[in-house]
Amino acid sequence: KNQVEQSPQSLIILEGKNCTLQCNYTVSPFSNLRWYKQDTGRGPVSLTIMTFSENTKSNGRYTATLDADTKQSSLHITASQLSDSASYICVVSAEKAAGNKLTFGGGTRVLVKP
Amino acid sequence: GAVVSQHPSWVICKSGTSVKIECRSLDFQATTMFWYRQFPKQSLMLMATSNEGSKATYEQGVEKDKFLINHASLTLSTLTVTSAHPEDSSFYICSARAHHNYGYTFGSGTRLTVV
Repeated sequence: KNQVEQSPQSLIILEGKNCTLQCNYTVSPFSNLRWYKQDTGRGPVSLTIMTFSENTKSNGRYTATLDADTKQSSLHITASQLSDSASYICVVSAEKAAGNKLTFGGGTRVLVKP
Repeated sequence: GAVVSQHPSWVICKSGTSVKIECRSLDFQATTMFWYRQFPKQSLMLMATSNEGSKATYEQGVEKDKFLINHASLTLSTLTVTSAHPEDSSFYICSARAHHNYGYTFGSGTRLTVV
């Protein structure tokens, strides 16, 4: 069964500090992995998308890594800002032959405090 | 970049009435659109997948007669919640994917409250 597990479920960090979110998946056959940011009451917004051959991708202060061998990904937030408070969702897509099905992680709720 | 517009952003309706939610791709043609619902502090749950010009494919446990989906054009899909009940209150989100692009763009969501 395809699954995406995220940890921690939630975390609180001080403004200016860094943090790392984890994502483990068992989706097969793997196509790509995406990280989304979802503000409360809003739809998810794409941060990064990585395919099998990509190990790291950055989007401003967000840096995602992917280890396709261990089926793990991380999202690192550098120099956190209050506006980073949101849920971060890891989404893994199966290959087209498998219907491009998306499997969602449960998300990590991040609260940045001043 | 790809933009998906979803309306309304929130709606309150009485039990027994129907509510229509629209999802539009503004700058690309969306061959496939997806509808999700999300309960508080939970992740998105796929309800159905719709391809332009054909019937939607519903996930197990989702009543197709209650959640009517229409995808009549490459830029518009609608979700109609029929005979709404308080337990249908939720956050509904659409996403769209262009044929040539494997990226998914989400709408901003609709908060439905049934009273």
